[in-house]
Amino acid sequence: DVKVTQSSRYLVKRTGEKVFLECVQDMDHENMFWYRQDPGLGLRLIYFSYDVKMKEKGDIPEGYSVSREKKERFSLILESASTNQTSMYLCASSKTSGEYFGTQYFGPGTRLLVL
Amino acid sequence: RKEVEQDPGPFNVPEGATVAFNCTYSNSASQSFFWYRQDCRKEPKLLMSVYSSGNEDGRFTAQLNRASQYISLLIRDSKLSDSATYLCVVNYNTDKLIFGTGTRLQVFP
Repeated sequence: DVKVTQSSRYLVKRTGEKVFLECVQDMDHENMFWYRQDPGLGLRLIYFSYDVKMKEKGDIPEGYSVSREKKERFSLILESASTNQTSMYLCASSKTSGEYFGTQYFGPGTRLLVL
Repeated sequence: RKEVEQDPGPFNVPEGATVAFNCTYSNSASQSFFWYRQDCRKEPKLLMSVYSSGNEDGRFTAQLNRASQYISLLIRDSKLSDSATYLCVVNYNTDKLIFGTGTRLQVFP
């Protein structure tokens, strides 16, 4: 069974703290993605990676950075957390092509509250 | 204008009813289309792909109209377990997906 795991389900941080969100997939997928989901705004892509050490900006990369040192792991970093980064963060992975093209598998999400 | 637009709902329907959702997309270069389902406080999961000729998966039927740039999802004989948010998703033949904000369905007894 395919699996994407995220390091925390719930996280509470203070403004200005550095925050690390970890995502691990066990499906040998090339692509990994970080989204945030907010009511009325839907899923918005922050960053994605199509290979180890490769990264591409999504639609809302400001205030975030990412790291992909190993194929199975993709980290999202909030350098200095702000209250407007309170959100649900979802990690996903997918294969580059083939039968399951277009299918992204999501982790359970991390609800981050920044005070 | 949003790239993918959906009526947020909620659509409140009784068990056994037939319900349909539409979704419009703005980019005519869109190549692939999908419906994802998201249960309350859970992650999205692929429900079905949408093919040009239309396709069916049990009680679910998906249709694509490229000329009018819309996608539809029809659910027949609604079950309580169908209550969820349905996300319309398009792709431009890259590895990125563009998600709509979702249509919420509530099926009541």
